[in-house]
Amino acid sequence: ILNVEQSPQSLHVQEGDSTNFTCSFPSSNFYALHWYRWETAKSPEALFVMTLNGDEKKKGRISATLNTKEGYSYLYIKGSQPEDSATYLCAFNAGNMLTFGGGTRLMVKP
Amino acid sequence: GAGVSQTPSNKVTEKGKYVELRCDPISGHTALYWYRQSLGQGPEFLIYFQGTGAADDSGLPNDRFFAVRPEGSVSTLKIQRTERGDSAVYLCASSSLAGVTDTQYFGPGTRLTVL
Repeated sequence: ILNVEQSPQSLHVQEGDSTNFTCSFPSSNFYALHWYRWETAKSPEALFVMTLNGDEKKKGRISATLNTKEGYSYLYIKGSQPEDSATYLCAFNAGNMLTFGGGTRLMVKP
Repeated sequence: GAGVSQTPSNKVTEKGKYVELRCDPISGHTALYWYRQSLGQGPEFLIYFQGTGAADDSGLPNDRFFAVRPEGSVSTLKIQRTERGDSAVYLCASSSLAGVTDTQYFGPGTRLTVL
């Protein structure tokens, strides 16, 4: 059974703060790590697919890094805005299905 | 273009009843997945279709759960004799291929409540 963990479980920040959270996953037999953003009452939205050790990907104010040797990925949000409030999920893909972490729920206060 | 759609968006049923949840994937996507998210947890894999056939159903919790995709497009997840523990958000996703780096595109989910 693959164990994918995310921390923290929840995070409250002020508008304008920068923040980051962690996803840890098995470092052996790594294939790909996916990040999703899931806003309430909407579909989970794909952010990044990361495959190579040392990968860094960016989409607007959001970026992610990957360390496959030690089994972790960081997601960074620069200058958080209220519209960034969502649950951020990482998912490990070692076959056909995604194994998700429990998510980090981010709330950005105006 | 149209994304993945799921119906109904909400379903309330009584313990012991039968329910069907429908998923319309993105047109042309051959791979289709069902996941279930229980309160406070991340989504958990249920079943994966490649075309019409279930390629991996190892995540189905027991034989009360069954899914079909008869024409390789729309899929239906069927739950018999529902139990209160089946209450969750059921998510469907599709992808053009089934590789580990292929993005799975999700629908908005069906929230199932079993009273």
